[in-house]
Amino acid sequence: DIQMTQSPSTLSASVGDRVTITCRASQSISTWLAWYQQKPGKAPKLLIYAASTLQSGVPSRFSGSGSGTDFTLIISSLQPDDFATYYCQNYNSYSYTFGQGTKLQIK
Amino acid sequence: QVQLQESGPGLVKPSQTLSLTCTVSGGSVNSGSYYWSWIRQPAGKGLEWIGRIYSSGSTSYNPSLKSRVTISVDTSKNQFSLKLTSVTAADTAVYYCASHYYGSGSYYNVDWGQGTLVTVSS
Repeated sequence: DIQMTQSPSTLSASVGDRVTITCRASQSISTWLAWYQQKPGKAPKLLIYAASTLQSGVPSRFSGSGSGTDFTLIISSLQPDDFATYYCQNYNSYSYTFGQGTKLQIK
Repeated sequence: QVQLQESGPGLVKPSQTLSLTCTVSGGSVNSGSYYWSWIRQPAGKGLEWIGRIYSSGSTSYNPSLKSRVTISVDTSKNQFSLKLTSVTAADTAVYYCASHYYGSGSYYNVDWGQGTLVTVSS
């Protein structure tokens, strides 16, 4: 059973800041890693898949990297619309485990 | 893009079975390019993957729920379903159905239903 661990759980930042969220898998998942953004009362939105590929329509200030067990989501210059909760997810053919989430809040 | 709609009772009594259905439009549950999953989210908490099914009927479940979960597919109705037995208050959550599309190369896309709140209470 693959476990996904995100850090930090909460992150306070300001508009224009560069922020980094990390996700670690308990075993290698190659690049079967997706990042989601979720706002209150809404379903999650896919931002990045294959660890580093931006989903169509997602702003280029979002980027992802990593492979194996360690992954990173970077938002290069925070915009007001980016304050939300972010989740990583392993999506190999056997499980779709999520990280526990990172709440990005306004400092 | 696939559209998904969850349906089922919003209130379930403790020890009973929670049953939800996801109706798929804009795609076929028979398609070999898709996996179909259920995910839940208790109020104020994170996302928990429950399980998934492939068009062949092959399933995979979260080990923490495996003993209580069954996911099935009804190709005649283009639906897939969730059954969770012996529910307790801890199973109160918004339940989402989702489609996972694996395209050529590494292309991947996920579509979500709007979610449905299920409360476990007597």
